[in-house]
Amino acid sequence: DAGITQSPRHKVTETGTPVTLRCHQTENHRYMYWYRQDPGHGLRLIHYSYGVKDTDKGEVSDGYSVSRSKTEDFLLTLESATSSQTSVYFCAIRESGGEETQYFGPGTRLLVL
Amino acid sequence: GNSVTQMEGPVTLSEEAFLTINCTYTATGYPSLFWYVQYPGEGLQLLLKATKADDKGSNKGFEATYRKETTSFHLEKGSVQVSDSAVYFCALLLYNQGGKLIFGQGTELSVKP
Repeated sequence: DAGITQSPRHKVTETGTPVTLRCHQTENHRYMYWYRQDPGHGLRLIHYSYGVKDTDKGEVSDGYSVSRSKTEDFLLTLESATSSQTSVYFCAIRESGGEETQYFGPGTRLLVL
Repeated sequence: GNSVTQMEGPVTLSEEAFLTINCTYTATGYPSLFWYVQYPGEGLQLLLKATKADDKGSNKGFEATYRKETTSFHLEKGSVQVSDSAVYFCALLLYNQGGKLIFGQGTELSVKP
């Protein structure tokens, strides 16, 4: 257990509304990631963070923004949700110091109607 | 570019059968390779990993060997159980791109008693 929680775990929203997902970690890891999981695509990286206020884009970043004001929290925001953003969202942390292994949170299931 | 290709599922086996799930990759440099497992309704769990050529990762009876010459990391288990039913993801880690993971599309395994 890498001490990762995600909230909410399930959400239903309507097209055009803003949505924020939260990832919280308790072990002070520097790197945090947001992925989305869709059938036939595995997981794809949306954004990642390499420190407080330091973020970068992944391969499917359009329509998403992120913020990291504290080491323990990494927020993913859908500014104006669309049906194509219906997905399961996973947060991950990366252990460093030689291991370089990513551990995942339990996921957030988002449905955009 | 960097990519991971897994054999398509679903794979259906009888209990105690031998399992192979093929995974091949394309990458620049020398990535680390991973297998993750996702049980129904849960997040991803690290199953095993290998960080350099000829390394063998193993866990819970599963094994995979990092083959640089064939760019492969096939997952094997000698005798599967019903409890192994899950989706298995092969992934590579890109150190020079923020440590992001590139995933295959996943292979669903169903083991029948």
